[in-house]
Amino acid sequence: DTEVTQTPKHLVMGMTNKKSLKCEQHMGHRAMYWYKQKAKKPPELMFVYSYEKLSINESVPSRFSPECPNSSLLNLHLHALQPEDSALYLCASSQETGFTGVASYNEQFFGPGTRLTVL
Amino acid sequence: DQQVKQNSPSLSVQEGRISILNCDYTNSMFDYFLWYKKYPAEGPTFLISISSIKDKNEDGRFTVFLNKSAKHLSLHIVPSQPGDSAVYFCAASGDYLVARNQGGKLIFGQGTELSVKP
Repeated sequence: DTEVTQTPKHLVMGMTNKKSLKCEQHMGHRAMYWYKQKAKKPPELMFVYSYEKLSINESVPSRFSPECPNSSLLNLHLHALQPEDSALYLCASSQETGFTGVASYNEQFFGPGTRLTVL
Repeated sequence: DQQVKQNSPSLSVQEGRISILNCDYTNSMFDYFLWYKKYPAEGPTFLISISSIKDKNEDGRFTVFLNKSAKHLSLHIVPSQPGDSAVYFCAASGDYLVARNQGGKLIFGQGTELSVKP
């Protein structure tokens, strides 16, 4: 199994709603990532989990709350979002977070994304 | 400060010809580079990578060239096919990011939209 799955594919929510995005991988990867992508822009890193511990938070507002229940699962909890948070949310995974200089441990494999619309 | 730049937002190529996508970087401490392909409303798909100890890596129709002195890499697609039409992102990472506790961080370019015409 060489894929990263994300649910739901599409999500429409109001500014007062609470919802969650889910991501799953069964490649034995120990690093998982959340990215946000706006149209015609590159993916923008939000969070990195390494061995189920949060290792990078790119100064993301607290209305986004990540969770890594186990090594295969990554959630992103959403609360009180703004319309400008509408974007494609991408999950990715890699074997490790560090580059050893020998192998491509940092090749990140992306899921298909969740298209989020905040009304 | 954009550390990874793709100066051509778009490129149009005839089917069967070569597509050359370019990427420049400013940080000489990057030591691993990746190319991703992205269709609309889908996640990026990993294509090919190269470490700084090499100057070329080939995988089927895709070849990546790295010129460290010029801080430049390019992706060659030969022959180009209509199904190659997508946005291509180059990305960079490095040990120095690990040292700064930023392990796992990829720095992406802005992307180049490739259109291959039949």
